[in-house]
Amino acid sequence: KAGVTQTPRYLIKTRGQQVTLSCSPISGHRSVSWYQQTPGQGLQFLFEYFSETQRNKGNFPGRFSGRQFSNSRSEMNVSTLELGDSALYLCASSLVTGTKETQYFGPGTRLLVL
Amino acid sequence: AQKITQTQPGMFVQEKEAVTLDCTYDTSDPSYGLFWYKQPSSGEMIFLIYQGSYDQQNATEGRYSLNFQKARKSANLVISASQLGDSAMYFCAIQSNFGNEKLTFGTGTRLTIIP
Repeated sequence: KAGVTQTPRYLIKTRGQQVTLSCSPISGHRSVSWYQQTPGQGLQFLFEYFSETQRNKGNFPGRFSGRQFSNSRSEMNVSTLELGDSALYLCASSLVTGTKETQYFGPGTRLLVL
Repeated sequence: AQKITQTQPGMFVQEKEAVTLDCTYDTSDPSYGLFWYKQPSSGEMIFLIYQGSYDQQNATEGRYSLNFQKARKSANLVISASQLGDSAMYFCAIQSNFGNEKLTFGTGTRLTIIP
């Protein structure tokens, strides 16, 4: 099975712009979660989508949004970019079996905001 | 709220030796899962091993084993016979089976294997 894929892998934007990141989950996985990783804050949960609905949300401002399509692919959007949004954005897909849910991550998108 | 504490920012280990990476956690949820991930310099988070809070036995996956001590809220990762390719950041994480948050990660341990 192919793993989680994320595009683009690298991105450079300037303050005030917006950006859209894409994530394709492992075939059969219906849950997609997004995480932000920065040197200062570490890994933080952004949100989770399941069956095209946002199911969980972390503590991020409304500039961060996402959506999920019927094929489970997900996009994350950040509007009005700030310097502090520079980070590695990781997408993970998961499959629940009983009480066990393991998240498998993609390679990430490195975003640099200038 | 959940919390993961990894007290070892960095470790140096001789190749072929075993290494233990420490992880303690805090949660008020009765049912949860504990995870270890490896992050090489490329950035991808690679799933290594899972331990459920109700699992009676310690989890093992090849050279990886998890030393789970529930009463002490400890979930240390043991890597046997370390290899140069094991050099990476290692993250411990917890996920409640009831809460709204997904994975909560620790700050990680940078492991360097010395030839």
